[in-house]
Amino acid sequence: GNSVTQMEGPVTLSEEAFLTINCTYTATGYPSLFWYVQYPGEGLQLLLKATKADDKGSNKGFEATYRKETTSFHLEKGSVQVSDSAVYFCALSGGTYKYIFGTGTRLKVLA
Amino acid sequence: GAGVSQSPSNKVTEKGKDVELRCDPISGHTALYWYRQSLGQGLEFLIYFQGNSAPDKSGLPSDRFSAERTGGSVSTLTIQRTQQEDSAVYLCASSEYQGKGETQYFGPGTRLLVL
Repeated sequence: GNSVTQMEGPVTLSEEAFLTINCTYTATGYPSLFWYVQYPGEGLQLLLKATKADDKGSNKGFEATYRKETTSFHLEKGSVQVSDSAVYFCALSGGTYKYIFGTGTRLKVLA
Repeated sequence: GAGVSQSPSNKVTEKGKDVELRCDPISGHTALYWYRQSLGQGLEFLIYFQGNSAPDKSGLPSDRFSAERTGGSVSTLTIQRTQQEDSAVYLCASSEYQGKGETQYFGPGTRLLVL
């Protein structure tokens, strides 16, 4: 079946550091891939998505590229801010309505 | 416009009691999902509603869990005879359509604690 694996946290970085959160997936066919973010005390919200191979999703300085050859969708940001501290979830939707979410990676950015 | 809302935001109950959790999706969204988020775990799919179709209940962990969606809008998740392992955050999400590229919009969740 479909699955998503993302790196375990927590990830602690200093402000302005480079961020990578790894996400790999297993799926048949051509799933859509997502990154959701959950800020403290809030629900999940979509950060970015990509619906086909080689697409790059981007938002708020975050980027992720849909790599079918490596079945990956790694999240990157060139310079993190304290306000980026949150839990990040990688997810896929594989042709049905069911979404598969990773376990989440907590990011803490220190001033 | 208004997002997905859930109530209550927090619920503390005693083992063996029944609880009802409510979700108000975004107006016009035909798809509605319930998930459970336990500490340190990802989101566990519980149930899915799409329009007037029969719901997909395949994720419900036991027959103590049930959900309904009235008039294609508001949904209620009911847990009967609660157990301590039911303690978790219950998240509701809605999307405009059913489809693999569709964005899900999440509510803030209901944090359930069973003593």
